[in-house]
Amino acid sequence: KQEVTQIPAALSVPEGENLVLNCSFTDSAIYNLQWFRQDPGKGLTSLLLIQSSQREQTSGRLNASLDKSSGRSTLYIAASQPGDSATYLCAVRWGGGFKTIFGAGTRLFVKA
Amino acid sequence: DAGITQSPRYKITETGRQVTLMCHQTWSHSYMFWYRQDLGHGLRLIYYSAAADITDKGEVPDGYVVSRSKTENFPLTLESATRSQTSVYFCASSPMGSTNEKLFFGSGTQLSVL
Repeated sequence: KQEVTQIPAALSVPEGENLVLNCSFTDSAIYNLQWFRQDPGKGLTSLLLIQSSQREQTSGRLNASLDKSSGRSTLYIAASQPGDSATYLCAVRWGGGFKTIFGAGTRLFVKA
Repeated sequence: DAGITQSPRYKITETGRQVTLMCHQTWSHSYMFWYRQDLGHGLRLIYYSAAADITDKGEVPDGYVVSRSKTENFPLTLESATRSQTSVYFCASSPMGSTNEKLFFGSGTQLSVL
């Protein structure tokens, strides 16, 4: 069964700290992987998308890496800010279909 | 403005009633999706559509009906609402098949079935 797991479920860090969020998935034959941000009561915003042929993607202070062989992706956030506080979700699409499976998310709180 | 919009934002209904949630996108994306988000289950796919008049079941389709007569609209209907369908519903679209296959989400509809 194809599954996506995110650990930890919640994380609290002081402002300015660099941090890593983890995502693991079963079945390494993925098509792509996306990281999303969700603010309370809002929809999801796509942050980064990594195709299966790529190793990483960067956008500003965010860097997402992909290791298919180990079934893992990480989202690195540099110099965290209170405005980064949100839930971060990882979503995986496997080849041969159009269904995307989401992890449960990591709730991040950055303290000022 | 371009984007994906859902309506209503909030809806309260009673068990047994029919409810339709609306989704409209202005990007002409070929693919559209309906997800529900519940504590303990995360986001689960209800239905998706690859193009006008082409729809397919997702992970949790029972009790729901979709249609897509126009590319830009993808309504979700609960034929006879049940309490277990109380949830937050998200519509999403994507230009799958292009070089940018990101999913773009609406703001959601919070549905309460009493």
